[in-house]
Amino acid sequence: NAGVTQTPKFRVLKTGQSMTLLCAQDMNHEYMYWYRQDPGMGLRLIHYSVGEGTTAKGEVPDGYNVSRLKKQNFLLGLESAAPSQTSVYFCASSSRAVHLLTRTNSPLHFGNGTRLTVT
Amino acid sequence: GQQLNQSPQSMFIQEGEDVSMNCTSSSIFNTWLWYKQDPGEGPVLLIALYKAGELTSNGRLTAQFGITRKDSFLNISASIPSDVGIYFCAGQRVTMAGANSKLTFGKGITLSVRP
Repeated sequence: NAGVTQTPKFRVLKTGQSMTLLCAQDMNHEYMYWYRQDPGMGLRLIHYSVGEGTTAKGEVPDGYNVSRLKKQNFLLGLESAAPSQTSVYFCASSSRAVHLLTRTNSPLHFGNGTRLTVT
Repeated sequence: GQQLNQSPQSMFIQEGEDVSMNCTSSSIFNTWLWYKQDPGEGPVLLIALYKAGELTSNGRLTAQFGITRKDSFLNISASIPSDVGIYFCAGQRVTMAGANSKLTFGKGITLSVRP
């Protein structure tokens, strides 16, 4: 099983350019997420989606847009890239199954990341 | 916002040694998760804990959900070179609207294993 697949793996942009990061999952998960990982900052949630056609803001949404037109895909867009957006971006997915005891959601499955450099 | 504290940022151990990592919070969590990230890859779930006091093992890894629900630890026994990586803890609170929007990650501990 492929799990969560991210494309591209690497990208270099100039300030002001735009690009879209693609995430695809084949686990029929309802929930999908975009995180960024920066040294010393851990993983920070950018946007997430609880289902096809729905998206919501996470902890650091500014400068990013997302779309979930199909259940298996979650796109992250940068309309005008800035050097502060240099980071490693991770997509993740999870099912909407709820743990009976804790009522929390199932753990996340991550892709292998996209390393983006904005010069 | 709430934070999970993992320290130190880096740990260096000798192959064969045991190592223990703590994760603490000022808030209560319903679920504790431990992830490992190998270089150049995404985090992979190691252990999930759902009950205060729960002790769970996965091979050489053992993790515990603290009684206060504000902490968790991960222990790796008899370390080997492939244990190298970043270890993240994550805490989760009850979600009402769905999704893991209330999942909080620690900043991770980078583990190095000397052969």
